[in-house]
Amino acid sequence: LAKTTQPISMDSYEGQEVNITCSHNNIATNDYITWYQQFPSQGPRFIIQGYKTKVTNEVASLFIPADRKSSTLSLPRVSLSDTAVYYCLVGVPMYSNYQLIWGAGTKLIIKP
Amino acid sequence: DAGITQSPRHKVTETGTPVTLRCHQTENHRYMYWYRQDPGHGLRLIHYSYGVKDTDKGEVSDGYSVSRSKTEDFLLTLESATSSQTSVYFCATGRDWREKLFFGSGTQLSVL
Repeated sequence: LAKTTQPISMDSYEGQEVNITCSHNNIATNDYITWYQQFPSQGPRFIIQGYKTKVTNEVASLFIPADRKSSTLSLPRVSLSDTAVYYCLVGVPMYSNYQLIWGAGTKLIIKP
Repeated sequence: DAGITQSPRHKVTETGTPVTLRCHQTENHRYMYWYRQDPGHGLRLIHYSYGVKDTDKGEVSDGYSVSRSKTEDFLLTLESATSSQTSVYFCATGRDWREKLFFGSGTQLSVL
């Protein structure tokens, strides 16, 4: 079964830019790539979504190369409150129906 | 955030007893999902619904059933709870299967 692959954990420091990369070799032609953030004892929260090239919103940027087999979430100037688990989500064909496959998540720890 | 309410928030039950978790949404989203989250496994889809009375299985559906008699409510039932079903259960909704998901706050279920 196809799945996404992310680093298990990452550390960084306040004020730095953090980049988290997700691999998704079996992404479908029409599928979007979505990233979520999860804090302890809460449900995941949408961060950003894109299809190709670059997308930017008020909290993050998403870089997607032309082959779309990977994507990179970029968090500019992180703070301690960005410590969370980040999930990459893509639609992957399974059997006869599309199913949403979640990666295992990247635990990001921001240090002072 | 979409108005998603999960009930109960916490539940302790005994092996072999039936358990029903409820998800209620106020956003009129077509898609509703039940996920479970366990350490080391990220989020795994149990069942989902793409409309009233239209449901389908996810990757870990054994031992679970669902019902959706109204757009706003999606019920998850464990007919005979087992210790392996101890987990945090999240409900999510979405306007379309590709669009971003909105999550509830989760239900912590302990089966003793």
